[in-house]
Amino acid sequence: EVQLVESGGGLVQPGRSLRLSCTASGFTFGDYAMSWVRQAPGKGLEWVGFIRSKAYGGTTEYAASVKGRFTISRDDSKSIAYLQMNSLKTEDTAVYYCTRRWSLDYWGQGTLVTVSS
Amino acid sequence: DVVMTQSPLSLPVTLGQPASISCRSSQSLVHSDGNTYLNWFQQRPGQSPRRLIYKVSNRDSGVPDRFSGSGSGTDFTLKISRVEAEDVGVYYCMQGTHWPSLFGPGTKVDIK
Repeated sequence: EVQLVESGGGLVQPGRSLRLSCTASGFTFGDYAMSWVRQAPGKGLEWVGFIRSKAYGGTTEYAASVKGRFTISRDDSKSIAYLQMNSLKTEDTAVYYCTRRWSLDYWGQGTLVTVSS
Repeated sequence: DVVMTQSPLSLPVTLGQPASISCRSSQSLVHSDGNTYLNWFQQRPGQSPRRLIYKVSNRDSGVPDRFSGSGSGTDFTLKISRVEAEDVGVYYCMQGTHWPSLFGPGTKVDIK
């Protein structure tokens, strides 16, 4: 059974950093691209970015709203994807979901990030 | 960027009756590889989203066959043949043909 478990969310002040983790199980992690999607309170879904598998270069793509501030990485030996978030803004407050593939076939339960002073 | 619109944004439905949600894109979603990367997602209250349909009309494993997707180019539709109570939630279309991938604004389905 495919499982994705996010962790690392919490309350952080504007301008600070936070790193989210997504621990995967139930599939060969290294064979798949991984994506991050967020949802601000009471709002719709926003694609944050994704990282390709090593077979496709392990390269990343980001939404314009986070490019230059957020970095996605992966550790295939541990089956973990990361979302490093720097220079956080209040508008980054959201539930962050880890998802598999560019087509988002499986989702985690999400982790809440609150950016507030 | 491609703009995704959905209609209606709110859809009160009667149990056992059909429902239909429209999704339109500002550009054709036909990829250079010939595929059309238009997916549908369901988000029940308090839950994570889950994918229902991929590449326009392919149902994901475990998705009831009362859900169907259709369309081409810029116009797409999600249909529920007979709405059940568990179908309450918000439905999003999403295009993956053009970067950045974008979701529609969502359609809230509830029971009359």
